[in-house]
Amino acid sequence: DTAVSQTPKYLVTQMGNDKSIKCEQNLGHDTMYWYKQDSKKFLKIMFSYNNKELIINETVPNRFSPKSPDKAHLNLHINSLELGDSAVYFCASSLRGSADEQFFGPGTRLTVL
Amino acid sequence: AQRVTQPEKLLSVFKGAPVELKCNYSYSGSPELFWYVQYSRQRLQLLLRHISRESIKGFTADLNKGETSFHLKKPFAQEEDSAMYYCALGVDYGQNFVFGPGTRLSVLP
Repeated sequence: DTAVSQTPKYLVTQMGNDKSIKCEQNLGHDTMYWYKQDSKKFLKIMFSYNNKELIINETVPNRFSPKSPDKAHLNLHINSLELGDSAVYFCASSLRGSADEQFFGPGTRLTVL
Repeated sequence: AQRVTQPEKLLSVFKGAPVELKCNYSYSGSPELFWYVQYSRQRLQLLLRHISRESIKGFTADLNKGETSFHLKKPFAQEEDSAMYYCALGVDYGQNFVFGPGTRLSVLP
């Protein structure tokens, strides 16, 4: 019974393409997040989304956009993919805010060729 | 700006030896500190947080506001402790979250 799930697990695509990664949580949590983990295993928050309030990390390019159709989903859309976007992307959720325990998805490894 | 540093990229200890993973932070407000762990082929998961003041899997961490540190300690390391450990800082009443660069702990037999 997976708490936080992401699809796809692996995504290989060409530069310039537009792609989406889906995230779903069945924990009834209010807040969801997207993180990027680079090749050096450094984790950086991209977005947090709570009750329709989106908090964006200002360093994230506007080619990245989160979309939340409902409280249980927070999808990540990426336009005009670049080589530097290659990374592992993690979705997470927490009951209220980041002061609560965050539950992470398995990650999506994106490779841009 | 908020920042979390973990000076050791890799830490190797022998089984049964004490282990300390260092973490320092910079934040002008009231910090919320966490340790997250990622075992091989598993998801990133919470190990412990400073507000709980509990010991998980033999690990403890004390928040030292004077030294702005939150070092993770265990008196006797086990091989199953081998993993990637991330120190993390919650700021702005949960509005933002900052991870440190991580320390890979390797416990040798």
